[in-house]
Amino acid sequence: DAKTTQPPSMDCAEGRAANLPCNHSTISGNEYVYWYRQIHSQGPQYIIHGLKNNETNEMASLIITEDRKSSTLILPHATLRDTAVYYCIVRVFGGSQGNLIFGKGTKLSVKP
Amino acid sequence: NAGVTQTPKFQVLKTGQSMTLQCAQDMNHEYMSWYRQDPGMGLRLIHYSVGAGITDQGEVPNGYNVSRSTTEDFPLRLLSAAPSQTSVYFCASSYGQGADEKLFFGSGTQLSVL
Repeated sequence: DAKTTQPPSMDCAEGRAANLPCNHSTISGNEYVYWYRQIHSQGPQYIIHGLKNNETNEMASLIITEDRKSSTLILPHATLRDTAVYYCIVRVFGGSQGNLIFGKGTKLSVKP
Repeated sequence: NAGVTQTPKFQVLKTGQSMTLQCAQDMNHEYMSWYRQDPGMGLRLIHYSVGAGITDQGEVPNGYNVSRSTTEDFPLRLLSAAPSQTSVYFCASSYGQGADEKLFFGSGTQLSVL
């Protein structure tokens, strides 16, 4: 699976959009981009995933560049409860679930 | 549905002791896995299973054993605990290969080995 690069930390004002970038310049054509987050010491939580089209669900939007070498997770109206570590992961769809590799992620701090 | 249930939530062991961390899921998921998380680090895969009777090693399998006799349960055994195994352990499960390929995590077990 391709590796990802994320900034170690970011701040965001409450109520504003949080835009979390991820670089995955070596991504292959059949690799998906996944986002998870981990709030404090809880288990990670799935947010969203996509291949090449932009995706949106009740939690967030995922914007993938046309060349697929980078993506942005958007939390449209960040709240204090969105303070967490956000992990960007790329992997082959349908591969062994056990091989989801987490990096160090981006620590997002939402401030009042 | 309870989702993924891990027990115990906290455990303190002495070096050399053995124990089993329990993980159960009630979602009929085929895939289950164990991760450990050390301070300031991301999650590292220990072992995983793609179905009952099938297990395989992840990144950091040494010192741990697993088995998968049922779809629901995936226990992690520490054979002879060492201080280096002090960590937070997370169990996860997911559907098989398909559109809903997302991991569901338990709430973790915090283990201290003295």
